[in-house]
Amino acid sequence: GESVGLHLPTLSVQEGDNSIINCAYSNSASDYFIWYKQESGKGPQFIIDIRSNMDKRQGQRVTVLLNKTVKHLSLQIAATQPGDSAVYFCAENIQGDYKLSFGAGTTVTVRA
Amino acid sequence: SQTIHQWPATLVQPVGSPLSLECTVEGTSNPNLYWYRQAAGRGLQLLFYSVGIGQISSEVPQNLSASRPQDRQFILSSKKLLLSDSGFYLCAWRSAGHYGYTFGSGTRLTVV
Repeated sequence: GESVGLHLPTLSVQEGDNSIINCAYSNSASDYFIWYKQESGKGPQFIIDIRSNMDKRQGQRVTVLLNKTVKHLSLQIAATQPGDSAVYFCAENIQGDYKLSFGAGTTVTVRA
Repeated sequence: SQTIHQWPATLVQPVGSPLSLECTVEGTSNPNLYWYRQAAGRGLQLLFYSVGIGQISSEVPQNLSASRPQDRQFILSSKKLLLSDSGFYLCAWRSAGHYGYTFGSGTRLTVV
């Protein structure tokens, strides 16, 4: 669900290392999950999605893992680059709902 | 292809003045439309969403209102702005039957 009043958690990563960003969800009726990337002053951009009947999906340098047993979602970024510095949001679609439910977001900072 | 337009990009308004932010979508019909607000360093707060012309759902009580006068137009308004209305306002859309949002580029509103 939304955590709009909270400061965003942060992750500092050395350039070239892999990043793992985690997200927990609570609704068993969630059937679809998305990761968004938001750069400073811009709208969130789609990164990758996964349906609830899958447990892993890979894109270019990104992998999303879904563990429905513990209601956990993660985004892995391989060989993190300076351009990966941004806020990352997970979002879930609850079956039958008209809107996505967003997580609090994680601020990723890449160290040179 | 579908595009979303949101304007203005930045806005500085005095307390007590009215507000009108506009969002339009091209290349699709009968989209679901959304207004979000984001305070600095915070998550995404859903303000309003609409599943059709004239249909508005409000998520949080506040000083703002929304209207959908045309299928692909979504307007966020206020009669009298408060300092607490400052923030980054994002419009988003998705097709009926699809889950992912596409966000606009956002409007940075500063109420002084």
